[in-house]
Amino acid sequence: GAVVSQHPSWVICKSGTSVKIECRSLDFQATTMFWYRQFPKQSLMLMATSNEGSKATYEQGVEKDKFLINHASLTLSTLTVTSAHPEDSSFYICSANSGRVYNEQFFGPGTRLTVL
Amino acid sequence: AQSVAQPEDQVNVAEGNPLTVKCTYSVSGNPYLFWYVQYPNRGLQFLLKYITGDNLVKGSYGFEAEFNKSQTSFHLKKPSALVSDSALYFCAVRDNNAGNMLTFGGGTRLMVKP
Repeated sequence: GAVVSQHPSWVICKSGTSVKIECRSLDFQATTMFWYRQFPKQSLMLMATSNEGSKATYEQGVEKDKFLINHASLTLSTLTVTSAHPEDSSFYICSANSGRVYNEQFFGPGTRLTVL
Repeated sequence: AQSVAQPEDQVNVAEGNPLTVKCTYSVSGNPYLFWYVQYPNRGLQFLLKYITGDNLVKGSYGFEAEFNKSQTSFHLKKPSALVSDSALYFCAVRDNNAGNMLTFGGGTRLMVKP
């Protein structure tokens, strides 16, 4: 089946620093990738949708300048949390699909971000 | 707008007993429905999906789900629960008129006790 990886799997950083999270589709080309945020014991909240070669579409309430998304190729999307603060601590999950009809999204394993 | 409801925060069942995790949805067009499972500190694993055809869908690990259009439901079921099935389960819907965006339910924690 289709595999999506994320790197790093967990990261601890100091407040004020920026953190980049990578999402890769390993055995298929992902025309669309999605970034989600999940708080403890809660559901996934869609942050943004990124299409290769174009600007990401952010959901209402998500700061574009804080959560920078770059979908540079058909197999890689990155999420950069800029000037991170403790309230940005969360579990970030990406997903990808190939754009085929009926295709389900394939999810990465998630990245645990802790901002001190 | 599309939405998904999982009315139970937690479902408790004894090992060997049948389990049901409930899900209802709302979409304007025809729904694509999905179930995912999440283990602690892990991403989501795909279990099964309904797109069209037979209302009873069989998926991974012995799970199945029944699409009921009149009740707008897509309950997840398994005839005999295992302790290893204990996890967080998410139902999701995609409106086939609304692109690729998935809307997730709030999740249901399944606890299977030996």
